[in-house]
Amino acid sequence: GAGVSQSPRYKVAKRGQDVALRCDPISGHVSLFWYQQALGQGPEFLTYFQNEAQLDKSGLPSDRFFAERPEGSVSTLKIQRTQQEDSAVYLCASSLVGTGNQPQHFGDGTRLSIL
Amino acid sequence: KNEVEQSPQNLTAQEGEFITINCSYSVGISALHWLQQHPGGGIVSLFMLSSGKKKHGRLIATINIQEKHSSLHITASHPRDSAVYICAVISNTGNQFYFGTGTSLTVIP
Repeated sequence: GAGVSQSPRYKVAKRGQDVALRCDPISGHVSLFWYQQALGQGPEFLTYFQNEAQLDKSGLPSDRFFAERPEGSVSTLKIQRTQQEDSAVYLCASSLVGTGNQPQHFGDGTRLSIL
Repeated sequence: KNEVEQSPQNLTAQEGEFITINCSYSVGISALHWLQQHPGGGIVSLFMLSSGKKKHGRLIATINIQEKHSSLHITASHPRDSAVYICAVISNTGNQFYFGTGTSLTVIP
């Protein structure tokens, strides 16, 4: 389909391992967002890209979290030295242009479990 | 401090009932989104509002900018409407999105 695609759908890792989560936005969408959603909570903003530029990373919880979008399309969220509190669903969304005045299209998320 | 508050947190309704979910926010916004999240995580954008009212099928969303309040209404509710409904606002000072914790709706046949 032509929606936002995230992989893997589920990821289980041992505490201390590094993980990489992938997001394929809708083709042509300029803006890309990453969110973290803990169980029973609403999503929380992590970071935002406009094309390849990371314009806002204020929501990244620590320097263990790193996101990139080198060619302005696919994005990867990397978490180093994972901890149990990193367990959450990581959602990616894209929009055509800009931010607030465009609808966001969400992927199904990656459910990360840290053992 | 939660920039976005939703009520109720949980809602159970009989099929056919009229449903209202409320959202209040404390920041200046450029737009407000109503999102629907089904079990398993998939999120669908229902509405994006910056003023007034929008209607799509049995769903109606309203916003009062002065009162910093929005409502999502579902008319003639159906079991397939069962989901978590999330209110999200975009601040007018940057790219920050703020999300409510969601309202879990269950519609009983």
